Amino acid sequence: TQLLEQSPQFLSIQEGENLTVYCNSSSVFSSLQWYRQEPGEGPVLLVTVVTGGEVKKLKRLTFQFGDARKDSSLHITAAQPGDTGLYLCAGQSGAGSYQLTFGKGTKLSVIP
Amino acid sequence: DSGVTQTPKHLITATGQRVTLRCSPRSGDLSVYWYQQSLDQGLQFLIQYYNGEERAKGNILERFSAQQFPDLHSELNLSSLELGDSALYFCASSVGFFRPASEQYFGPGTRLTVT
Repeated sequence: TQLLEQSPQFLSIQEGENLTVYCNSSSVFSSLQWYRQEPGEGPVLLVTVVTGGEVKKLKRLTFQFGDARKDSSLHITAAQPGDTGLYLCAGQSGAGSYQLTFGKGTKLSVIP
Repeated sequence: DSGVTQTPKHLITATGQRVTLRCSPRSGDLSVYWYQQSLDQGLQFLIQYYNGEERAKGNILERFSAQQFPDLHSELNLSSLELGDSALYFCASSVGFFRPASEQYFGPGTRLTVT
C-alpha cells in the first residue's frame, strides 16, 4: 500500500511569513498533484508535477518534485489570509489506474 | 467551478437505509472516480469507472456499489448504512488514461449523515 506522509499537520503563521509543506513517501509515483480544499468543499487542483526534480511556480507558490519522485514540497512566499485552507498532496502510481493516494493534509491558517 | 456536479449536496438518513449519490463529470471526461473523506481517514479512493467500465477498486465496502451510464454520469449506491458511513463523498473526473498524469477535477461533494 502506498502512503503519503504530510508535515506539518497544522500550521499557523502571520501574514507575510514564508512556509514550506512537505509530502513524503517510500513509494515512487508517476506524478504528484497538490490540491487545496476549503471546509465542506471539493479539493481544487493547484498543480501537477511529473518529472523528478521538476519545479513549478504558481504566483507565490512553488512546488517541487523530488529527484526520485518519492517526495514533494510546497513553498508559499509572503503568505496571505486568502492562502488559508487544507493543502493536500496526492500521488498517482500510473500502474494501469490513475487513482489518487492522498496525504492527510496540512491545515494552514494565515493570521492577518 | 470544476465542471463536475454532484447531487444531492446534503443527505440525512437512518441506519439500515439505502441511498444513491449522483455525479456528472466534466464535459469530455471519460473517467469518473469516487472518494470518501472522513475526519480520521482523510480522502480514500473507492472506485473508478472509465467509459462505462469498472477500472479500479479501492477500499470500497461490499455494501457499496457504483456504475457509470452511457451518458457518462455515475451513481454510487450505499446500502445497509451504518453510523460510520457518515462522511463526505466526492466524485472526480479526468479525461482518461494519459501518461504520465491524468489530472482529476473534483465535484463539490455530498455530505452524508447517518443517524
